[in-house]
Amino acid sequence: GAGVSQSPRYKVTKRGQDVALRCDPISGHVSLYWYRQALGQGPEFLTYFNYEAQQDKSGLPNDRFSAERPEGSISTLTIQRTEQRDSAMYRCASSLGGSLSGTQYFGPGTRLTVL
Amino acid sequence: TQLLEQSPQFLSIQEGENLTVYCNSSSVFSSLQWYRQEPGEGPVLLVTVVTGGEVKKLKRLTFQFGDARKDSSLHITAAQPGDTGLYLCAGARNAGKSTFGDGTTLTVKP
Repeated sequence: GAGVSQSPRYKVTKRGQDVALRCDPISGHVSLYWYRQALGQGPEFLTYFNYEAQQDKSGLPNDRFSAERPEGSISTLTIQRTEQRDSAMYRCASSLGGSLSGTQYFGPGTRLTVL
Repeated sequence: TQLLEQSPQFLSIQEGENLTVYCNSSSVFSSLQWYRQEPGEGPVLLVTVVTGGEVKKLKRLTFQFGDARKDSSLHITAAQPGDTGLYLCAGARNAGKSTFGDGTTLTVKP
């Protein structure tokens, strides 16, 4: 079966524009996670879902960031009024369930560049 | 704030050498995971440890979880160039949310 996919793989946008990043998890995976990873650093937790319910959004930097997973499968991370500091690799991961030791499978990421 | 500190930040060794990298925190974690990440790719899970004092072996890799579940180590025996990559640890206290360290970048020279 296919792994986690993300689109677009690369996004270049101008400051002030809105962007939507898509994540397609592994089929049947209950939990979906969004992370942001700066070069040379580990992933930084943003938010996660079990099915369509957003369980924790404590990692979202501010109210310009939002995420949804309306049907419990594909998720969209939206950044409004982008700023240069939003430039980063945005990674999505999914797991079978929300257990503490559940394996998270990461996607290839979306490289966002805000000019 | 849960903070995971990994050391060393960078490590460059010759093929055949042994090495140990560390993951330390002041917080107790219910589980801790080690990942390996190659350039341009997402992290790939190597192992999960959940019990204090637990030791797991994966071929030439040995993972240990501290008795107090605050720290962990990864030991690689007879390193090979294919071991090159970014090694990340991640701790979980609650279901779903993992806190990652900034990783150890390992380079194994042939």
